[in-house]
Amino acid sequence: DIQMTQSPSSLSASVGDRVTITCQASQDISNYLNWYQQKPGKAPKLLIYDASNLETGVPSRFSGSGSGTDFTFTISSLQPEDIATYYCQQYDNLPPKVTFGPGTKVDIK
Amino acid sequence: EVQLVQSGAEVKKPGESLKISCKGSGYSFTSYWIGWVRQMPGKGLEWMGIIYPGDSDTRYSPSFQGQVTISADKSISTAYLQWSSLKASDTAMYYCARSGDILTGYFMGWFDPWGQGTLVTVSS
Repeated sequence: DIQMTQSPSSLSASVGDRVTITCQASQDISNYLNWYQQKPGKAPKLLIYDASNLETGVPSRFSGSGSGTDFTFTISSLQPEDIATYYCQQYDNLPPKVTFGPGTKVDIK
Repeated sequence: EVQLVQSGAEVKKPGESLKISCKGSGYSFTSYWIGWVRQMPGKGLEWMGIIYPGDSDTRYSPSFQGQVTISADKSISTAYLQWSSLKASDTAMYYCARSGDILTGYFMGWFDPWGQGTLVTVSS
């Protein structure tokens, strides 16, 4: 089974800072990697699909990159409303199979 | 508007059975996959399994195979997650979420949108 790791597990940054989260897969997953934002008490929300595609309606300060085993999620200028936990998620589609990363909690300093 | 609306919170005793629901609206329910995700208190997201209501093709995470049953009733655009005998460790928030490509019926890998979640509490 594919294992996903994320780092850091938590971070604290100032408004306006550039924030970067990494996600690593235990084997090559091509670009089959998605990113979600989960605010406290809310359902997760899709931000990035297939490693680098911004979901419609998501602010452009969010971006993703990477392929193979190493992926990066970036918030170019952290905003107060970005306080949340961010999860990466890999998938296979034949047959369907999904694994979430452990999450990264982002706070405002 | 594409929407998934889940059934309300449940409080159950160990050993009891339970079936929670996820009703889709605003799209062709039989043309997309519905997945289920568990989130235990203070913990991360865990994929449980997925169903294609069009033909009831169902896949389970190995961690949940045999522990839960996923089903769907396409006549009422509703997917279900059920337990035959709950344990205290089943206490969690459960989310349903949609995935797929309407043209091919393939699982596309990402989930959007998500239901609001159903909190299941199992306690004696």
